[in-house]
Amino acid sequence: DQQVKQNSPSLSVQEGRISILNCDYTNSMFDYFLWYKKYPAEGPTFLISISSIKDKNEDGRFTVFLNKSAKHLSLHIVPSQPGDSAVYFCAASEVRGSTLGRLYFGRGTQLTVWP
Amino acid sequence: DSGVTQTPKHLITATGQRVTLRCSPRSGDLSVYWYQQSLDQGLQFLIQYYNGEERAKGNILERFSAQQFPDLHSELNLSSLELGDSALYFCASRYHGTGINQPQHFGDGTRLSIL
Repeated sequence: DQQVKQNSPSLSVQEGRISILNCDYTNSMFDYFLWYKKYPAEGPTFLISISSIKDKNEDGRFTVFLNKSAKHLSLHIVPSQPGDSAVYFCAASEVRGSTLGRLYFGRGTQLTVWP
Repeated sequence: DSGVTQTPKHLITATGQRVTLRCSPRSGDLSVYWYQQSLDQGLQFLIQYYNGEERAKGNILERFSAQQFPDLHSELNLSSLELGDSALYFCASRYHGTGINQPQHFGDGTRLSIL
């Protein structure tokens, strides 16, 4: 069963505009969320994370929003750049003491930023 | 460069065969995780090792096994290979210091093709 879902397999955005990637989860025990970016022929690269005690976390052009009641998170990229074209994976985990449990990944969204 | 090294990059073999995938974690990282990514699927967690001991198990088939050696490198052994085992296999490592905000860092994967 897919506990983390990314329902949009692809997203196309013009350079300079905002990209919004969405992610839904079903397990209410998840309390830590991560976004990874993956280029072809490379492994996923960590982008940004958020704990369930927050509803927003920002790092430069990247902002992640968490809506716990809706079990929904989104990644905003502003402004989008052609180099942002990649597959974006949402992942979720439970916090266990001072560490994280296993990660559950969505299937990814292919973002294409065109000039 | 994530610092996680996976070898080989590509592996082509036949059904019924056995292969070994190798992973060297980042320096200082005690945990190693293995994931499988089949076509159009998200990353499926297989197994985690921490400092030589199995820590968590995911959707790993009985035909698959893994181990982590004293120098912390890890090997994933896949036996009695089937066509459906064709996939990208990723290794990730993680530092277990204080705090939970230590992400997993991924290697570039091994692409396994079963003919």
